[in-house]
Amino acid sequence: ETGVTQSPTHLIKTRGQQVTLRCSSQSGHNTVSWYQQALGQGPQFIFQYYREEENGRGNFPPRFSGLQFPNYSSELNVNALELDDSALYLCASSLAQGRTYEQYFGPGTRLTVT
Amino acid sequence: GNSVTQMEGPVTLSEEAFLTINCTYTATGYPSLFWYVQYPGEGLQLLLKATKADDKGSNKGFEATYRKETTSFHLEKGSVQVSDSAVYFCALSVPAGGFKTIFGAGTRLFVKA
Repeated sequence: ETGVTQSPTHLIKTRGQQVTLRCSSQSGHNTVSWYQQALGQGPQFIFQYYREEENGRGNFPPRFSGLQFPNYSSELNVNALELDDSALYLCASSLAQGRTYEQYFGPGTRLTVT
Repeated sequence: GNSVTQMEGPVTLSEEAFLTINCTYTATGYPSLFWYVQYPGEGLQLLLKATKADDKGSNKGFEATYRKETTSFHLEKGSVQVSDSAVYFCALSVPAGGFKTIFGAGTRLFVKA
């Protein structure tokens, strides 16, 4: 059973650019959530996908968008990057099953916007 | 709204000391409660969970009890080790479409040998 993987590990972008981050869910998991973790803070919920549909969203602007593919891998896209977007981006996979809500996190992608 | 408040760190303890990290929450409905741990340079790992009032979650010597009357989920360990040094996050999950997870700001723990 493989765990959650994310790519790339680190990324440096310039303000105004666009970025795509990728996540492969744990085998058998049909739900993926994305989080932004600024330095020294807890993760903030961006959105969640279930069976390729957005299934919930936090307080993030529309320039944060996502996709989930039939194999349950996922992408996070951020357009028009701002300096405040510099953070660790975490994806977490889970199996939608009652109220379990148990998530398995990837190691994250560290994004630096200059 | 939903929120989680946990004690500020850092917390510095000597090896074999008793650990308590306080966590209180505000939620509409009946959340599930979690403690996650983050080691340096890594993602979050689920440490323990509780899904209803009076449940006790436990793992690796850590424990936390879901207290609905005090809206708390304090993390405890009887004897910490140097390897427990990490950042600990209290979190709640509620139904929202699928579900939504709210994290506290985290508490950094340093354990000295």
